[in-house]
Amino acid sequence: GEDVEQSLFLSVREGDSSVINCTYTDSSSTYLYWYKQEPGAGLQLLTYIFSNMDMKQDQRLTVLLNKKDKHLSLRIADTQTGDSAIYFCAEIPFTGGGNKLTFGTGTQLKVEL
Amino acid sequence: ETGVTQTPRHLVMGMTNKKSLKCEQHLGHNAMYWYKQSAKKPLELMFVYSLEERVENNSVPSRFSPECPNSSHLFLHLHTLQPEDSALYLCASSQGGSVNEQYFGPGTRLTVT
Repeated sequence: GEDVEQSLFLSVREGDSSVINCTYTDSSSTYLYWYKQEPGAGLQLLTYIFSNMDMKQDQRLTVLLNKKDKHLSLRIADTQTGDSAIYFCAEIPFTGGGNKLTFGTGTQLKVEL
Repeated sequence: ETGVTQTPRHLVMGMTNKKSLKCEQHLGHNAMYWYKQSAKKPLELMFVYSLEERVENNSVPSRFSPECPNSSHLFLHLHTLQPEDSALYLCASSQGGSVNEQYFGPGTRLTVT
């Protein structure tokens, strides 16, 4: 497809794991990113993964990359209420040039007690 | 001030008004960006400035006019906007390099009446 695709909503219970999925467009994308947007704030880079990696772990965050399927996921372990936010995946398509981040629609994560 | 700041945070304007959005980055970056964030749509890249030169204009209507007087400041001049231009306008900056980690400001919430 031509768009970076994400499901719009995810609801989890506090303490459970959250998995946010993304399908990106360009198998030549070098870096893939996860950004977090809290209410009333701009986007904050959470983590990124280089395309020659399958997995990257950073504390409670695990990023999995399946290049064959152009699928990226973000797993948040022990999800807390402070993790409630919108999560965007993004890529820099090879054809877009070095500066052009292409974002998905964002997945709104709601953490319930 | 640290990071990326944007003013005003909220703006209501009529369709015949002229206003400007301001962005300032205190990170020593050499690239700056304007994005439009509308509900349930992917972030739309509007303009990219690299070393104060505009390198990307993503088919944005001429009623939006960017200005980058130096590497720390970016403006978006608005005139004769339409109600569908109501959105959150995000500014970002980055330092050149392969990772292209973009730092975002909190955004200006624009309402066109």
